Amino acid sequence: GAVVSQHPSWVICKSGTSVKIECRSLDFQATTMFWYRQFPKQSLMLMATSNEGSKATYEQGVEKDKFLINHASLTLSTLTVTSAHPEDSSFYICSARKRAGYTDTQYFGPGTRLTVL
Amino acid sequence: AQRVTQPEKLLSVFKGAPVELKCNYSYSGSPELFWYVQYSRQRLQLLLRHISRESIKGFTADLNKGETSFHLKKPFAQEEDSAMYYCALRSGGYQKVTFGTGTKLQVIP
Repeated sequence: GAVVSQHPSWVICKSGTSVKIECRSLDFQATTMFWYRQFPKQSLMLMATSNEGSKATYEQGVEKDKFLINHASLTLSTLTVTSAHPEDSSFYICSARKRAGYTDTQYFGPGTRLTVL
Repeated sequence: AQRVTQPEKLLSVFKGAPVELKCNYSYSGSPELFWYVQYSRQRLQLLLRHISRESIKGFTADLNKGETSFHLKKPFAQEEDSAMYYCALRSGGYQKVTFGTGTKLQVIP
């Protein structure tokens, strides 16, 4: 199998604080992980691509200094929302890329619901 | 720029009726197309990909490059098919995946 976990599954924080979300591939190594954001009843929007051992690649319009990504190992990527504000409240989903032979598949985590008060 | 369009936000069909979820894309290169499904309170999961040419849970999808479409079809809908379906496109070496806005399939008993 290929399982991706996220922690925490939900978090509530005060405006101005920072929140860290972890994404782990439990039974495979992932050199590449992706972070998405999903607003209610909308699609997933790719925020950044996280590469193990190198800097993340951010999509246009995503603030690098606000959404810090660290992919320190082949099974863990973290997203830190710095100085969170209410407009950062959203559902954050990560996925991990697993390669098997000539194919590779993205496996998704269950998501983290962030609410900023 | 790559784009995926799913024109229907909601599709309601009766059990046993045929289903077609539409997906159109725009991309200048050779795309890889996917369908993902999200059942209620579950995570997003891959349903099928065009290169596999497979049928999963009775669903099939054919890539039509002329019409730039990748519609998802099933001849006889089942209640357990009710879910949110996302069409997605992956481009080149960068492996960036772009998702459509999703279609909610509701199968009426």
